[in-house]
Amino acid sequence: SAVISQKPSRDICQRGTSLTIQCQVDSQVTMMFWYRQQPGQSLTLIATANQGSEATYESGFVIDKFPISRPNLTFSTLTVSNMSPEDSSIYLCSVEDWAGGRETQYFGPGTRLLVL
Amino acid sequence: AQKITQTQPGMFVQEKEAVTLDCTYDTSDPSYGLFWYKQPSSGEMIFLIYQGSYDQQNATEGRYSLNFQKARKSANLVISASQLGDSAMYFCAMREGRGYGNKLVFGAGTILRVKS
Repeated sequence: SAVISQKPSRDICQRGTSLTIQCQVDSQVTMMFWYRQQPGQSLTLIATANQGSEATYESGFVIDKFPISRPNLTFSTLTVSNMSPEDSSIYLCSVEDWAGGRETQYFGPGTRLLVL
Repeated sequence: AQKITQTQPGMFVQEKEAVTLDCTYDTSDPSYGLFWYKQPSSGEMIFLIYQGSYDQQNATEGRYSLNFQKARKSANLVISASQLGDSAMYFCAMREGRGYGNKLVFGAGTILRVKS
């Protein structure tokens, strides 16, 4: 199974600043996904990142607020820009894995963000 | 309409007993996949089990099994011989469409508490 790491694991930030979250996978993957989980809520997809093309954003999420990079098949970054307390969430990246012909989607350990 | 519905906000189960967590889904796509994840208090999302819409048999993974009733559009998770470490939030999710790069849509989750 794919092993995913994220940095930082947690951070406390001041409003108006930006934070870049890194996601590293131990194998090459076509698609990487970025999700947000607000406190006490379920997961919501922010965007899908395909290597070599611009990310595809879900309704309610825009590139200016959540720019994403995907420079190669094992790495992606998500930036949370001009943060406000409403951005306090867990941010998770995930990847598809089709090993053995069975579909799985694995998640990184998440980045806990608190915006003051 | 909600794509994924988990009607049980919280559940209690006695240690060593079995528990069923409910999940119903809504899709008109004949090709879809259903996932269950466990999220302990640490926040990580742990993949438990997957069921494809064309799978003839119910999926099983160790103590986890998925009771897939396609006509009813339900995909309940059964945990046998509950352990204290099973206490966590459990999410049901669906992927619509065939192939790569399709996002997951999550239910609201069910908190499971295992009593000793």
